[in-house]
Amino acid sequence: GAGVSQTPSNKVTEKGKYVELRCDPISGHTALYWYRQSLGQGPEFLIYFQGTGAADDSGLPNDRFFAVRPEGSVSTLKIQRTERGDSAVYLCASSESVGTDTQYFGPGTRLTVL
Amino acid sequence: AQSVTQLDSQVPVFEEAPVELRCNYSSSVSVYLFWYVQYPNQGLQLLLKYLSGSTLVKGINGFEAEFNKSQTSFHLRKPSVHISDTAEYFCAVTPLDGATNKLIFGTGTLLAVQP
Repeated sequence: GAGVSQTPSNKVTEKGKYVELRCDPISGHTALYWYRQSLGQGPEFLIYFQGTGAADDSGLPNDRFFAVRPEGSVSTLKIQRTERGDSAVYLCASSESVGTDTQYFGPGTRLTVL
Repeated sequence: AQSVTQLDSQVPVFEEAPVELRCNYSSSVSVYLFWYVQYPNQGLQLLLKYLSGSTLVKGINGFEAEFNKSQTSFHLRKPSVHISDTAEYFCAVTPLDGATNKLIFGTGTLLAVQP
């Protein structure tokens, strides 16, 4: 079946601009996660959704970052007033539910802020 | 808080040789442990996980890992590697604190298999 998909695969923007990154989880998966992977680092947790609600947003670095999942499926990560330090690969993962379920990762969106 | 340390950023090895990728973690609560692999230009893929029970866990592609609670380690091993095993390997933990299922990753180890 189809895996987790993310669009766009690459996004280049200018400092100060607004960007939206989209994640389509595996059908039926109720849990959705966003991670950020900077060059030479492991993925870093940003936010977790259970259904439509953000159950844990403790990893969001500041209030320029926001994510939604209005219908409990597709999620959008929104970054306002982008900074060069936001450049990274943004990864999305989904799992059937919480607990011991495996998280399946998408290919990521590479964001470059010039 | 939890942290994961992967002691080697890069491990070069010849084809058909054995390999061990080291992982240590720190946590004030119990954790689940994972190894993920990232092949060039692909997404992260689960290799294996330890939840409970036998401390020796077998995964895909002939990999296995052993959980050692006293040493807080979860080293990954393969008895004979192939060129196709060249990839970035990430160790990760999930804290069992009832909050979320978030993964906390190490910085990764690049396994470079040479012919």
